[in-house]
Amino acid sequence: DGGITQSPKYLFRKEGQNVTLSCEQNLNHDAMYWYRQDPGQGLRLIYYSQIVNDFQKGDIAEGYSVSREKKESFPLTVTSAQKNPTAFYLCASSIIWEVEQFFGPGTRLTVL
Amino acid sequence: DAKTTQPNSMESNEEEPVHLPCNHSTISGTDYIHWYRQLPSQGPEYVIHGLTSNVNNRMASLAIAEDRKSSTLILHRATLRDAAVYYCILNSGGGADGLTFGKGTHLIIQP
Repeated sequence: DGGITQSPKYLFRKEGQNVTLSCEQNLNHDAMYWYRQDPGQGLRLIYYSQIVNDFQKGDIAEGYSVSREKKESFPLTVTSAQKNPTAFYLCASSIIWEVEQFFGPGTRLTVL
Repeated sequence: DAKTTQPNSMESNEEEPVHLPCNHSTISGTDYIHWYRQLPSQGPEYVIHGLTSNVNNRMASLAIAEDRKSSTLILHRATLRDAAVYYCILNSGGGADGLTFGKGTHLIIQP
């Protein structure tokens, strides 16, 4: 079955540690995205990538980093510079310039 | 991207139609109107999109005002599984540069 996988579903880290969230898709989509969602709020765009080896900052990129070495993978690193990292993180992908984005199940990160 | 305004919550009964409004008075001529929905602790799911004409698909219908300053998502016969947060989003780039989600409308379905 084609789709987007994110792992792990729940992640706990100590303050000051970097953590990497995984996102993999087998839909052969060119574009991939990372969003952050806080309780009771909508999603906010962190980074997006329209092609391998290229990515752009979204609205809230500070304290995050990404890489896009392969078409199917777009990992997100939450660095210690991110002041409030506890949130629900969602990865998505789409055919470039197509409207519909497909979302993964999300990773809930808690920093203690 | 232009801003959208949606009611915080709406309530409806099972098996009845639901009309979810969205105001977007500053919409530009190239903005598409997208609707997504999100169930608790899940990623959003695409529902429908349109530009100027009304649109229908297996999930819902989208009615767009003639001046495009508002639109309505129509669920023809709500089920308990339609209980979710519904987001109305404008984007002129086909979404390839990311989508801007507001707080959406929390739809409650009563059995």
